[in-house]
This record gives sequence, structure tokens and C-alpha cells, in this order.
Amino acid sequence: QSALTQPRSVSGSPGQSVTISCTGTSSDVGGYNYVSWYQQHPGKAPKLMIYDVSKRPSGVPDRFSGSKSGNTASLTISGLPAEDEADYYCCSYAGSYTWVFGGGTKLAVL
Amino acid sequence: EVQLVESGGGLVKPGESLRLSCAASGFTFSGYSMNWVRQAPGKGLEWVSSISSSSSHIYYADSVKGRFTISRDNAKNSLYLQINSLRAEDTAVYYCAREGYDYSFDHWGQGTLVTVSS
Repeated sequence: QSALTQPRSVSGSPGQSVTISCTGTSSDVGGYNYVSWYQQHPGKAPKLMIYDVSKRPSGVPDRFSGSKSGNTASLTISGLPAEDEADYYCCSYAGSYTWVFGGGTKLAVL
Repeated sequence: EVQLVESGGGLVKPGESLRLSCAASGFTFSGYSMNWVRQAPGKGLEWVSSISSSSSHIYYADSVKGRFTISRDNAKNSLYLQINSLRAEDTAVYYCAREGYDYSFDHWGQGTLVTVSS
């Protein structure tokens, strides 16, 4: 299983919106609506932000949204506050109870 | 409150073995599939292994198949990962994660660091 492809870094100013892409194949992202996104602050455990491509767990702010088109999923963060500066990872179910993560994207809030 | 607490990491030499543990609390452990996910220093996340609620289904990433063994004890609310023939590339923080909504990992432990070095 090859890792999903994410940009290494993105940046935005407070209040702006940013979008992080996650490209896979028809065997993972394109084949299942089971894409999830995780936020990780330095030295901390990952936190689930989005599941099933676009659903938010209880407690996750609605400024986080997800979508998918073909083999590419996207995470959009609107109205950026400084606290959203972190690493973001996409993950896709890849069948037969296996998962593949993206390489991670570092979000800088300038 | 869901809590997952890993332990068992440390500094080991190549070829040695290690057993990681994850103690679960705050939910019905026997009702959930559980996973191990690792993160090498400065690198991304890598799914390692999954075990179903009753241990009837077990899966591994190709990169660890044959050397890693996942298990659980529902009576003790605990998840385990036996790692044999350790290699330098196994150096990572190992997280246990609960499989929650639809093939996602909804709760994670704080991780335990495994360092493989001579």
C-alpha cells in the first residue's frame, strides 16, 4: 500500500480558508466513502476531525468540512484561528480491513 | 471518558523483541475493534494492525506481517502488540486507536516510543 499524497505544507492568514488535498487511487480513496481526517499538534496524539468523507464527530467545529471527487479527497478549514496550526493527515479504508494514511500536511497560520 | 493508555516502549537492540500494551477504560472495550498505528520520528502515520472485537479477525500491514502479533484480553480491557525481530525502521511512537465511526479511528492513546538502536 502506497501512502496517499498530500501537500507537505499549506498556509493561510487568520480568518481565511484553506484546503488540503489527499490523492489516492481507485483502490482506496476512489473506491470507498471512508475517508477520515486527523489533526495532530506537536507531541500530541492525532484527533479525528472528519469521517465518512464529510461527517464531523461531536465537538468538532463546523469550520472543518470534507469532500471527495474521484480519487481525491479534500479538507477545508474556514475562518482560520491560530489554534488550527497543526499537522493534518488523511486516511482511507483500502479494503480487507487495511488502511492507508497520507504523508501529512503542515498547516501554518500566518 | 474514553481513555487509552499505552505502555511497554523503550530502547531495544536490533533483533530483540518487545510487547506493547494498551489499557482501555471509559467504554465497553469488548464491543470495538482496535488498532495499532505508528509514527516514525518526524514522519507520518502508518496503520500497523487491526483486531476485531472478539479477536476473530486480525489484519496486518505488509510491512510488519510475520513479525508483529496483535492480541487482546477483553476481560482485562487490554490490547497488545508483540513485536519480534525489531529493526531500526520500527523506531516509532506506537499508538493504540479505537475503530469508531465507519472505518475511522475515533480515540487514540498518547503513544509509547519504541527506539531500536545498537
